[in-house]
Amino acid sequence: GQQVMQIPQYQHVQEGEDFTTYCNSSTTLSNIQWYKQRPGGHPVFLIQLVKSGEVKKQKRLTFQFGEAKKNSSLHITATQTTDVGTYFCAGLSNAGNMLTFGGGTRLMVKP
Amino acid sequence: DSGVTQTPKHLITATGQRVTLRCSPRSGDLSVYWYQQSLDQGLQFLIQYYNGEERAKGNILERFSAQQFPDLHSELNLSSLELGDSALYFCASSVARGTGFYYGYTFGSGTRLTVV
Repeated sequence: GQQVMQIPQYQHVQEGEDFTTYCNSSTTLSNIQWYKQRPGGHPVFLIQLVKSGEVKKQKRLTFQFGEAKKNSSLHITATQTTDVGTYFCAGLSNAGNMLTFGGGTRLMVKP
Repeated sequence: DSGVTQTPKHLITATGQRVTLRCSPRSGDLSVYWYQQSLDQGLQFLIQYYNGEERAKGNILERFSAQQFPDLHSELNLSSLELGDSALYFCASSVARGTGFYYGYTFGSGTRLTVV
C-alpha cells in the first residue's frame, strides 16, 4: 500500500533558526496536505498542494510540492516558540479517497 | 472549537471491557474518519464513513467496529480491550466526496483512552 515517510523525526532549533521537514511518498500523489499538531492538541489543517512544482507561502512557512508529485517540503524561516509542535504531511493517492499521513516531524524551539 | 465534537474526552477502563467513542462531524461534512495516535506516534488510519456508508478501511482490528448514523454522527466501538489499545483516538470530518477536489480534514480534540 501507499507509504508516506517524513524526515527528520525530531528537530531541535534555536529560536530564529530555520527549519525544514521533508515528506516522501512511495506512489504518485493526487495532492498533499500539511497539518500542525501542538503539544496536547489535535492536528490542524495548514494547506493543500495540488499542482506539480507548486509553491505556497503562509507568512514564514513555505510549502513545496515536487515536480513528480511524490515529495513535498515545509520550510519555516526564523522559527519562533509558537512554531513548536508536530508537523504532519498527508498524501492522497491518485487511486485512493483517503489521506495517508506521514509519521510527523516534532519541532522543538529553544528560546 | 474546530466544529468536530468528540466525547468523552477521557476514558479509563479495564482490560477486556468494551467502550464506545462518539463523534459529531462539522456541520455540512459528510465524511468521518477515525484515527488512532499512540504516545508520540503518528496517525494510524482506522476507518472512513461517507454519508452513512463505510468507504475505506485501514489497520482496524477485528475487535474494533464503527458506524455512521443518519444524522452523520459516528461511533467507534472498541471491545475486548487490551493495554496496547491505550491511545488518543481522533475523529476527523471533511466534505470529501468520491471524486473531485479534496479538502482538508477538521479534527476533533480526541478521546484519550487508558486501559488499565
